[in-house]
Amino acid sequence: GIQVEQSPPDLILQEGANSTLRCNFSDSVNNLQWFHQNPWGQLINLFYIPSGTKQNGRLSATTVATERYSLLYISSSQTTDSGVYFCASAGGSEKLVFGKGMKLTVNP
Amino acid sequence: ETGVTQSPTHLIKTRGQQVTLRCSSQSGHNTVSWYQQALGQGPQFIFQYYREEENGRGNFPPRFSGLQFPNYSSELNVNALELDDSALYLCASSLPGVNTEAFFGQGTRLTVV
Repeated sequence: GIQVEQSPPDLILQEGANSTLRCNFSDSVNNLQWFHQNPWGQLINLFYIPSGTKQNGRLSATTVATERYSLLYISSSQTTDSGVYFCASAGGSEKLVFGKGMKLTVNP
Repeated sequence: ETGVTQSPTHLIKTRGQQVTLRCSSQSGHNTVSWYQQALGQGPQFIFQYYREEENGRGNFPPRFSGLQFPNYSSELNVNALELDDSALYLCASSLPGVNTEAFFGQGTRLTVV
């Protein structure tokens, strides 16, 4: 089945800095989602992006399906951006396969 | 539009007991999936329900079972609880098909002692 790898595993930033999170997947995918997990455990949808580029405020994401990777950009980071970010993908089946996550800490 | 809701939010059970977790899907979504997230890991797919039938299963033993009801809500049942079953259990709802966005509930944190 599909394997999903995220990098870096951890990232510490100062408020106002920019960051790029990368997600590599091992096979062609029909579904690619980015999530932010809040401290209470809920997965908050950031982007549904099996291909192309999308932007939502300070966040944007790009998926290059032919090269099997996706990038999440966070600009002008804020302390509220802290938490764990997951990417998840699905290929021929409908189950989402998650990466191990990336813990982001934004210091004031 | 109501989101995905799960109950209870927290639960403590004793090894060997049985537990039932519940999930109400987002309005208009008829597909429900369950995931287990151990501490420090990404969520792992347990199974999916569509039209009240299991539609795909991950690498979990038969003591993990589920149901989906006509209103698309779902239950996850775990029998003979083991200490390693302690985890956050997440429910996701979506429209059917592989090219659809999944939306998650807030999860149920299960502790087995």
